[in-house]
Amino acid sequence: ETGVTQSPTHLIKTRGQQVTLRCSSQSGHNTVSWYQQALGQGPQFIFQYYREEENGRGNFPPRFSGLQFPNYSSELNVNALELDDSALYLCASSLGALNTGELFFGEGSRLTVL
Amino acid sequence: GENVEQHPSTLSVQEGDSAVIKCTYSDSASNYFPWYKQELGKRPQLIIDIRSNVGEKKDQRIAVTLNKTAKHFSLHITETQPEDSAVYFCAASKVTGGYQKVTFGIGTKLQVIP
Repeated sequence: ETGVTQSPTHLIKTRGQQVTLRCSSQSGHNTVSWYQQALGQGPQFIFQYYREEENGRGNFPPRFSGLQFPNYSSELNVNALELDDSALYLCASSLGALNTGELFFGEGSRLTVL
Repeated sequence: GENVEQHPSTLSVQEGDSAVIKCTYSDSASNYFPWYKQELGKRPQLIIDIRSNVGEKKDQRIAVTLNKTAKHFSLHITETQPEDSAVYFCAASKVTGGYQKVTFGIGTKLQVIP
């Protein structure tokens, strides 16, 4: 069974740039959610994808967008980067959007915005 | 929206002692309460969870209690070991609008002193 993998692990961008982060979900999981974890904070929900559609969103502006592909992998795109976007971005997969249950996290992508 | 408060933010215990972390939530519709452990530089991993129809659950040295009336839940670790040192996050979860909404606490950094 393959776990959740994310890439890249670390990246540095400057303000105003755009970034794409990638996630492969755990084998058999059809639901992917993205979280932002600022230093010393808990993960904050960005959005969830199920069947290639965004079906839930947290309090993040539209410059945070995503995609899910037929193989359930996912991308997080952030446009017009701001300094406050510096954080660890975690992808989590789960089985089914309509259930409460365990989230299986990847190791994260650490984004630094200068 | 849901608000999860967690305390203490840091906790130091001697090896072999017990550790208790407490969380409160605001949304009475939340019905699933997981606890995640995040070691330094690693992904959050589920260590125990409890659903709203259960008051207590135990797994070896770890136990979780839930008081639905008071809207609080706690993690208890007995006979702590150095490898228990990590950041622990509580969370409250529900299905709403077709997706699982998970709200995390701020985290508790547990240090077990040998």
